[in-house]
Amino acid sequence: DAGVIQSPRHEVTEMGQEVTLRCKPISGHNSLFWYRQTMMRGLELLIYFNNNVPIDDSGMPEDRFSAKMPNASFSTLKIQPSEPRDSAVYFCASSYTPGPGGNQPQHFGDGTRLSIL
Amino acid sequence: RKEVEQDPGPFNVPEGATVAFNCTYSNSASQSFFWYRQDCRKEPKLLMSVYSSGNEDGRFTAQLNRASQYISLLIRDSKLSDSATYLCVVIRIYNQGGKLIFGQGTELSVKP
Repeated sequence: DAGVIQSPRHEVTEMGQEVTLRCKPISGHNSLFWYRQTMMRGLELLIYFNNNVPIDDSGMPEDRFSAKMPNASFSTLKIQPSEPRDSAVYFCASSYTPGPGGNQPQHFGDGTRLSIL
Repeated sequence: RKEVEQDPGPFNVPEGATVAFNCTYSNSASQSFFWYRQDCRKEPKLLMSVYSSGNEDGRFTAQLNRASQYISLLIRDSKLSDSATYLCVVIRIYNQGGKLIFGQGTELSVKP
């Protein structure tokens, strides 16, 4: 079975550039989550979607970050303009939840290792 | 204070040892509880759910004490392959839905 698929696996870019991270959730899952992981702050939820609708984006750090989910099989997380402090591992996860409750365990993608120089 | 707090670790134990991890959570509205495992430079993976009655999966036993807002994970007869970071996770349900809150993780290193 295909798990959560993220791309790219690694991204190195210069400060100020636009960065787009991509995620394909597990087929049949209706909730999608974007996380950021750093040594200092651990795993933090940035935003989550239920049935393609953003439910909670309170974890999005600032206006430079945006996320979309145009359909059930694809989501993007965009950073524009990028800054060195955005360097982290970004994980996408998905789950099936009967309602917007999001109380089911989640399956994570391999992550995107982002380095902003 | 963090919403989910874990033993800081790292735990360095010999093969065959029994090791216990503790976790406390501050929000009594938390409704579901899990332990995840994360290997170095890999994604978190669900290890097991945690139920009030306690549950066991092979060498792993998880316990939940709702009154004390405390979760534990016991690993018996530890193996080299158990070396990883163990993340305590609670799900907080609120008006807009639910979100996973992760602890910082406890690193376990099992030595020969």
